[in-house]
Amino acid sequence: DGGITQSPKYLFRKEGQNVTLSCEQNLNHDAMYWYRQDPGQGLRLIYYSQIVNDFQKGDIAEGYSVSREKKESFPLTVTSAQKNPTAFYLCASSNTGTLVALHFGNGTRLTVT
Amino acid sequence: KNQVEQSPQSLIILEGKNCTLQCNYTVSPFSNLRWYKQDTGRGPVSLTIMTFSENTKSNGRYTATLDADTKQSSLHITASQLSDSASYICVVSASTGTASKLTFGTGTRLQVTL
Repeated sequence: DGGITQSPKYLFRKEGQNVTLSCEQNLNHDAMYWYRQDPGQGLRLIYYSQIVNDFQKGDIAEGYSVSREKKESFPLTVTSAQKNPTAFYLCASSNTGTLVALHFGNGTRLTVT
Repeated sequence: KNQVEQSPQSLIILEGKNCTLQCNYTVSPFSNLRWYKQDTGRGPVSLTIMTFSENTKSNGRYTATLDADTKQSSLHITASQLSDSASYICVVSASTGTASKLTFGTGTRLQVTL
């Protein structure tokens, strides 16, 4: 079955440590996205990529970094510069176009203490 | 500033009953409006996508309506089931040339009980 796989489901880190969240898709989608979901807020875009080896900052990119070396993979690194990293992180992919639906993974819940 | 507001924040209904969720938006230039269902601890799943010219769109027991003049949308759930318990998120897309930008609502949390 085609889909998006995020791993791990839960992640715990100490403050000051960088951590990388994995996102893999086998839908052959060109575009991939990272969103952050916090209680009481709508999803906010961190980074997106429309093609391999290219990516753009979203609305809240500070303290995050990404890479897109393969079409299938779009890992997100949460750096120690991110002031409030504890959140639910969602990866999504889509075909290019304006009427395409986003396909989401099942998220990684990151807790930083 | 583009905004999407959903109401109510939460809702509890009995199994078998109908319900309607509301979405008001101020997004420009409007491209399309989407409804997603998000089960607890999982990623959102697309229910419908509607463009400016579409007034209504159905997906099984889910029917979305769009009034582009008043900038309102609703999601009607018919004959609710326990599996409908989830958050329902309204998402509005603004299109500027080749780029599009999504604005997400905070969602309505629906609980269906026996």
